[in-house]
Amino acid sequence: EVQLVESGGGLVQRGGSLRLSCAASGFTFSTYAMSWVRQTPGKGLEWVSAISSSGGSTFYSDSVKGRFTISRDNSKNTLYLQMNSLRAEDTAIYFCAKDWSSGWFDYWGQGTLLTVSS
Amino acid sequence: DIQMTQSPSTLSASVGDRVTITCRASQSITSWLAWYQQKPGKAPKVLIYKASTLQSGVPSRFSGSGSGTEFTLTISSLQPDDFATYYCQQYNVYPYTFGQGTKVEI
Repeated sequence: EVQLVESGGGLVQRGGSLRLSCAASGFTFSTYAMSWVRQTPGKGLEWVSAISSSGGSTFYSDSVKGRFTISRDNSKNTLYLQMNSLRAEDTAIYFCAKDWSSGWFDYWGQGTLLTVSS
Repeated sequence: DIQMTQSPSTLSASVGDRVTITCRASQSITSWLAWYQQKPGKAPKVLIYKASTLQSGVPSRFSGSGSGTEFTLTISSLQPDDFATYYCQQYNVYPYTFGQGTKVEI
């Protein structure tokens, strides 16, 4: 059974940093691209970042480029999102998602809540 | 960035109704479109990918169509479990983008 379990969310001050983790199991993690998608409470979905299966290619939305860094450790089956220079508008539930093959997501984690206080 | 626009934003319907949700892309995405269903407090669940391919395990009352810039998600006979919010997503090019969502309510 595929499982994606996010952790690391919490309350952080504006300008602070935090690292999210996503522990994967039930599939061969190293063969799939992964993404982070966030959702502002009560609002819609926003794709944040993606990383190729090897970790060699990364992609970011304009809203986080230069502040967030996606990475993965295939030996630990874990996806990360390092978030720096956090802003109030980064407050959201962050989901990790498994990319089936070409950009659509067949499995999602339960999400972890990040709150940035001003 | 490619903008995805869904309509309507909210849809009131009854059990047994045929429901259609539209998603328009600001430029052609060929068939690189997915549809998701999300219930409160839960992660999204994929229903359709590549515009019209039904994900394994998804009931056949869900169907998708379209290509280029205009797409539709149809629920042929609305069931109680289908009351949720639906999102389209383009994956033709980065940054991937989602529609703003369509809430299907009673």
